[in-house]
Amino acid sequence: AQTVTQSQPEMSVQEAETVTLSCTYDTSESDYYLFWYKQPPSRQMILVIRQEAYKQQNATENRFSVNFQKAAKSFSLKISDSQLGDAAMYFCAFTLRAQKLVFGQGTRLTINP
Amino acid sequence: GAVVSQHPSRVICKSGTSVKIECRSLDFQATTMFWYRQFPKQSLMLMATSNEGSKATYEQGVEKDKFLINHASLTLSTLTVTSAHPEDSSFYICSARVGGVGETQYFGPGTRLLVL
Repeated sequence: AQTVTQSQPEMSVQEAETVTLSCTYDTSESDYYLFWYKQPPSRQMILVIRQEAYKQQNATENRFSVNFQKAAKSFSLKISDSQLGDAAMYFCAFTLRAQKLVFGQGTRLTINP
Repeated sequence: GAVVSQHPSRVICKSGTSVKIECRSLDFQATTMFWYRQFPKQSLMLMATSNEGSKATYEQGVEKDKFLINHASLTLSTLTVTSAHPEDSSFYICSARVGGVGETQYFGPGTRLLVL
């Protein structure tokens, strides 16, 4: 069975600085998809970034980028120029094709003004 | 694009009554929808996977007769909590998978259920 681990229950960063959230996963498959979702206080789950395992290039979405290390089964999220609106719970998630999402436990990110 | 709506956003009901929650994909067709439950400060717990025109697949430990799921069309799935009890109070979230877009699931805004 696939598992996802987020080892940082909480993180904090100063506004405008950079923070990295960690995520590791376990699978014996080679074709899969990885995601970072953000859940702000409104509790709406918002897709932050997506990575296909077959792509070597790390995904980037504006201030958000990932460091995908397939051999190490690591998928960290880097947030640059942190903003107050980035404060949320961040969930790392994994899925195989046509399968269900497996979520990590989440990391609560606080932005200090 | 890829907007999912959920209705109602909040519902309060008396113990023993049934509550229906609707999940709609507004601008795409979703062959597969998912229903989650989330307890405070915890991750999402998958309850069931719903495929259009077929019976839902429930996760282990989820009571099929209590949580009825219907996926009647490519844009609508419903979750009915039957004979609700206070322990069913929770935050329920649906999602819809966009086929051919990297297996991405897009989530509804959630429904907060309080059973008195």
